[in-house]
Amino acid sequence: QSALTQPASVSGSPGQSITISCTGTSSDVGYYNLVSWYQQYPGKAPKLMIYDVTKRPSGISNRFSGSKSGNTASLTISGLQAEDEADYYCCSYAGSGTWVFGGGTKLTVL
Amino acid sequence: EVQLVESGGGLVQPGGSLRLSCEASGFTFRRYWMSWVRQAPGKGLECVANIKEDGSEKNYVESVKGRFTISRDNAKNSLYLQMNSLRAEDTAMYYCARDDAGTLDSWGQGTLITVSS
Repeated sequence: QSALTQPASVSGSPGQSITISCTGTSSDVGYYNLVSWYQQYPGKAPKLMIYDVTKRPSGISNRFSGSKSGNTASLTISGLQAEDEADYYCCSYAGSGTWVFGGGTKLTVL
Repeated sequence: EVQLVESGGGLVQPGGSLRLSCEASGFTFRRYWMSWVRQAPGKGLECVANIKEDGSEKNYVESVKGRFTISRDNAKNSLYLQMNSLRAEDTAMYYCARDDAGTLDSWGQGTLITVSS
């Protein structure tokens, strides 16, 4: 299956909100409510930020939220902080025990 | 606390083999699907292989089929990836990840594989 489509980069100023989109197909994002989002700092392992489209793991700030409409999922970060500057990846279950990731989005906090 | 610790990475020549290991702790290993996810330098994430709780079902990305074999030993709380016929394009950080009800919720720190002559 093809990778999910994310913008290569987004930016925002501290305090602002940004949204990262993740577009798949009716066979992955559009079919399963199993979209997750990961934050990754350089040289570090990915960290789960959102799962099952909208849920936050324990310990994740409520500034992070997820949504989905059709074949596109979105991650919104509100009240942007300098520490949010990282790469973000979406991931969707694609059936038959397979996963598909987005290409990643570099978030820059201006 | 869930912990996943990978090992076995290193420099290998094209055509060579390596076996990666992932030691799990802090959870009941035998109750979870497990995955290997890789990330080439400067690139995105790719799920390479995964394996059912009891090892009875395995899935591979097309590019590694016939070359990589995922396995597990639930008695040792360990996950493995046997990598044969390695190619330059297999160069990547390889992460072990736990699959919790459809989400890769916990990741190790990774082990680096470099395929080069």
